[in-house]
Amino acid sequence: EVQLVQSGAELKKPGQPLKISCRASGYTFTNFWIGWVRQMPGSGLEWMGVIYPGDSETRYSPSFQGQVTISADKSIDTAYLQWDSLEASDTAIYYCARPHLGHFARIDFWGRGSLVTVSS
Amino acid sequence: QSALTQPPSASGSPGQSVTISCTGTSSDVGGYDYVSWYQQHPGKPPKLIIYEVNTRPSGVPERFSGSRSGNTFFLTVSGLQPDDEADYYCNSYADSDNLGVFGGGTKLTVL
Repeated sequence: EVQLVQSGAELKKPGQPLKISCRASGYTFTNFWIGWVRQMPGSGLEWMGVIYPGDSETRYSPSFQGQVTISADKSIDTAYLQWDSLEASDTAIYYCARPHLGHFARIDFWGRGSLVTVSS
Repeated sequence: QSALTQPPSASGSPGQSVTISCTGTSSDVGGYDYVSWYQQHPGKPPKLIIYEVNTRPSGVPERFSGSRSGNTFFLTVSGLQPDDEADYYCNSYADSDNLGVFGGGTKLTVL
């Protein structure tokens, strides 16, 4: 059974760094793209970016390029999403998502979400 | 602004059918059949219910169906049940963003 287990909720201040995680199990981590979807309060879904753990190729949606960094550690089957300096507008739920092979418009598996709250 | 346009709300009574639309443009989503639909209950992650326009993943009831007409895609929920009350999002491949784009979501209310 495929599972994506995300790190817990975070409360941070503006300007602080943050790295959240998603541990995958139930499949070969290096054979599938994995990424992050943002859902701001009361809003819809947005692809942020994906990584292919097999060779660390990374792709970002234009809106998020340069704003966040996606990485993966294939030794522990874990993907990460990190910010160098958070802003209040980063307050959102972040879902770890595994698309179907290379079809990013078909997300077969989702994590339960990590709530990030940025407030002074 | 989302690249795919969905109505913000839809509603129907138990047992009825309701159809939700998702409209793109010929310059992005129009040339592809890679459209998916997700159901999201409050406080839960989205769940894939339709992919490639009209294919249901294993375990999704036949009451959920997808279709297409030109640049508009449709999700039809037949025989509405109370648990169908949720937010529904479409998602498509698009030339403008190689990760694809989502619709803004439709809140389905079962009256």
